[in-house]
Amino acid sequence: GESVGLHLPTLSVQEGDNSIINCAYSNSASDYFIWYKQESGKGPQFIIDIRSNMDKRQGQRVTVLLNKTVKHLSLQIAATQPGDSAVYFCAERETNFVFGPGTRLSVLP
Amino acid sequence: EPEVTQTPSHQVTQMGQEVILRCVPISNHLYFYWYRQILGQKVEFLVSFYNNEISEKSEIFDDQFSVERPDGSNFTLKIRSTKLEDSAMYFCASTKYKNEQFFGPGTRLTVL
Repeated sequence: GESVGLHLPTLSVQEGDNSIINCAYSNSASDYFIWYKQESGKGPQFIIDIRSNMDKRQGQRVTVLLNKTVKHLSLQIAATQPGDSAVYFCAERETNFVFGPGTRLSVLP
Repeated sequence: EPEVTQTPSHQVTQMGQEVILRCVPISNHLYFYWYRQILGQKVEFLVSFYNNEISEKSEIFDDQFSVERPDGSNFTLKIRSTKLEDSAMYFCASTKYKNEQFFGPGTRLTVL
């Protein structure tokens, strides 16, 4: 069913630790996936993408893992910083993008 | 660095009134999108636009909605007769190759 949205799952991590944010997607025909970061009052910001012919992609401090068997996507953030605090959500695309509800990442000092 | 811009940042309107939300996509981008995000909920696709016509639209994008690219820079979303449930953040996005989308800062629409 639809997420109410006001009760986003929250991940709290200590500054400097690694964060792992998970996303379950629904469409096995999706061929492209993006992770976005959204800070309060701002538009979504692209973090990293991955195509369905890959299972791992690395960026600067971030890694995306794709498991097509179980339709699961994860975002790993290394050495989490206070500026990483935001809502993170995945988006899948077959024809158009479908967005997940998001996870709120809270970085503790 | 080029960015997508949107105006106004906040629009307040009475139910039944028409509103036009404006976007200036990144200049060399070819694909344009409108999304909405009801407070606290997930981002929802409304419409995509390419080559001066709508390429895809969602069930949300009914006859009350329309999009235009009236000149080489602006991309607008019009809601003909606003309803209370149209209150949301509306995001414009653009992309060059139909992959990484660049989002604008959004317009907060409040329908009273």
